[in-house]
Amino acid sequence: QKEVEQDPGPLSVPEGAIVSLNCTYSNSAFQYFMWYRQYSRKGPELLMYTYSSGNKEDGRFTAQVDKSSKYISLFIRDSQPSDSATYLCALQGDTGRRALTFGSGTRLQVQP
Amino acid sequence: GAGVSQSPSNKVTEKGKDVELRCDPISGHTALYWYRQSLGQGLEFLIYFQGNSAPDKSGLPSDRFSAERTGGSVSTLTIQRTQQEDSAVYLCASGRGQSLYEQYFGPGTRLTVT
Repeated sequence: QKEVEQDPGPLSVPEGAIVSLNCTYSNSAFQYFMWYRQYSRKGPELLMYTYSSGNKEDGRFTAQVDKSSKYISLFIRDSQPSDSATYLCALQGDTGRRALTFGSGTRLQVQP
Repeated sequence: GAGVSQSPSNKVTEKGKDVELRCDPISGHTALYWYRQSLGQGLEFLIYFQGNSAPDKSGLPSDRFSAERTGGSVSTLTIQRTQQEDSAVYLCASGRGQSLYEQYFGPGTRLTVT
């Protein structure tokens, strides 16, 4: 079993829709939770990060962490064609290893 | 300001050859990471440098892989005797070290082993 599971998609939605992207994980030591966006043939770029459980909002993006369920989500409101990309969740423990553990990514297509 | 740069952007090599991939991190960033992304897969950690500390090599898949970081800045990832399963995008990221989560990625080097 992978440490982080993420549905690969593709997820296709019409412009303006609310998008929900999710990851589940198995290691309770993870404390930092991040979402990266990766356009085709580009490196990932950090979108959101949260520490421990709770919600964090930034513009059209909301990151949600439920540590009790080991479940993290990214919501995109009023989705735009420019949001079409692969979204990767990434997790990190509080101490020790600083490398991120990534999900395999969900490919999102927003249709105009 | 300038982001993380990587060279070459694409590399095609024959099986058995050695390759070197270069990463120029963001100026002032003390942390540097190498990851590998295979087709349809998430990023796989390879190696991590932090300042003058001994690197964390726990993600290197075999002894054919090695990396060094000179002068706390530029890093080179070397793959010896390349195999077809080494074909992937190799991504470098840098960070300020004290921020556990901030990693800024370069565009990657796409390696194809024929």
